[in-house]
Amino acid sequence: DAKTTQPNSMESNEEEPVHLPCNHSTISGTDYIHWYRQLPSQGPEYVIHGLTSNVNNRMASLAIAEDRKSSTLILHRATLRDAAVYYCILRDYLGNTPLVFGKGTRLSVIA
Amino acid sequence: EAGVTQFPSHSVIEKGQTVTLRCDPISGHDNLYWYRRVMGKEIKFLLHFVKESKQDESGMPNNRFLAERTGGTYSTLKVQPAELEDSGVYFCASSQQDLPGQKLFYDGYTFGSGTRLTVV
Repeated sequence: DAKTTQPNSMESNEEEPVHLPCNHSTISGTDYIHWYRQLPSQGPEYVIHGLTSNVNNRMASLAIAEDRKSSTLILHRATLRDAAVYYCILRDYLGNTPLVFGKGTRLSVIA
Repeated sequence: EAGVTQFPSHSVIEKGQTVTLRCDPISGHDNLYWYRRVMGKEIKFLLHFVKESKQDESGMPNNRFLAERTGGTYSTLKVQPAELEDSGVYFCASSQQDLPGQKLFYDGYTFGSGTRLTVV
């Protein structure tokens, strides 16, 4: 699977929008972009996924660049409960390799 | 809907002993996965079951680790004999489908809270 690059950490004020970037310049045409997050003392949690078009769900929005070499996870109003490590993961739609977690971005939310 | 349940939540054992971790997936989820995080490292894939069959066990570190999923329901991960480097948090996850695009709706993997294993 192609590699992703994320900032090690980010900080946000509570109730402000948060844009978490992910670079994946070597993405292939068959790679889905997945986002997971891990809250303290919990297992990872699925957030959202996409292929080409922007996606919205109850948790977040995923904005995918037109060339697919980068994407941004958008939390519209950060809360203290959103403090977590956020992982951007690529996985080929054929699933020939497992879901692979990198280092992710540690998001801190300030009240 | 009950989530993925793992137990025990914590286990402390001596080097050389045996430990068995259990995972109860969400009912109806055919896919079951084991992951682990050792201290300071990233979360690593161990293996993937589809029902009772091992679909991918490429992440199993060595033959001291044995995973089973009899009847395609709950799964166990046995470490025998345990070594110090096996300490870490073991996560189990389940999903209705492994990949997006297989059905109309995909909602990813659901992870349990993990079992923290300490080998002393």
